[in-house]
Amino acid sequence: DAGVTQSPTHLIKTRGQHVTLRCSPISGHKSVSWYQQVLGQGPQFIFQYYEKEERGRGNFPDRFSARQFPNYSSELNVNALLLGDSALYLCASSTRVATNEKLFFGSGTQLSVL
Amino acid sequence: AQKITQTQPGMFVQEKEAVTLDCTYDTSDQSYGLFWYKQPSSGEMIFLIYQGSYDEQNATEGRYSLNFQKARKSANLVISASQLGDSAMYFCAMREGLNDYKLSFGAGTTVTVRA
Repeated sequence: DAGVTQSPTHLIKTRGQHVTLRCSPISGHKSVSWYQQVLGQGPQFIFQYYEKEERGRGNFPDRFSARQFPNYSSELNVNALLLGDSALYLCASSTRVATNEKLFFGSGTQLSVL
Repeated sequence: AQKITQTQPGMFVQEKEAVTLDCTYDTSDQSYGLFWYKQPSSGEMIFLIYQGSYDEQNATEGRYSLNFQKARKSANLVISASQLGDSAMYFCAMREGLNDYKLSFGAGTTVTVRA
């Protein structure tokens, strides 16, 4: 079975542009989460969606938005890109939302903002 | 305040030896879960082991074991019989409460296994 797939794998943008990152969860997984990982740090939570509804939002500005589609895939959108948005963006999926539910991560999208 | 603290930025270990990675956490919730993930240079986060706050026994998964000391709020990962493929970044993470969906990660520890 395919794991979590993310596209694109690498992306270069300039300041002020907009970017859309895509994620396909593992088949049967209904929850998708997005994390930002700046170089040398641990991942930071951005969003979680379950059954197409937003269930959690991290401490990120409104320039960050996301949605989940009927097939449970997800998009993360970032507007008005800043240099500080350069990071690895990780998508993770899980079957449900629970304290002990482990997340399955994709390999990420490496975003560079110039 | 930092929820997860990993104080070892980098460690070297000899092949076939054991290594312990430290993790302390901060929460006021009674129900929480602790996770360890491995991140090789490819970037993908790989789940290693889970410990629930109410679990009485330390978790084990193959060569991975978690030394859970609840009173000290520590959840150290022990990797036994290290292999060259264990060289990676290791992250400790926590999910708090019954309805909080996010994982809070530490800064990670880089492990390099020497032949």
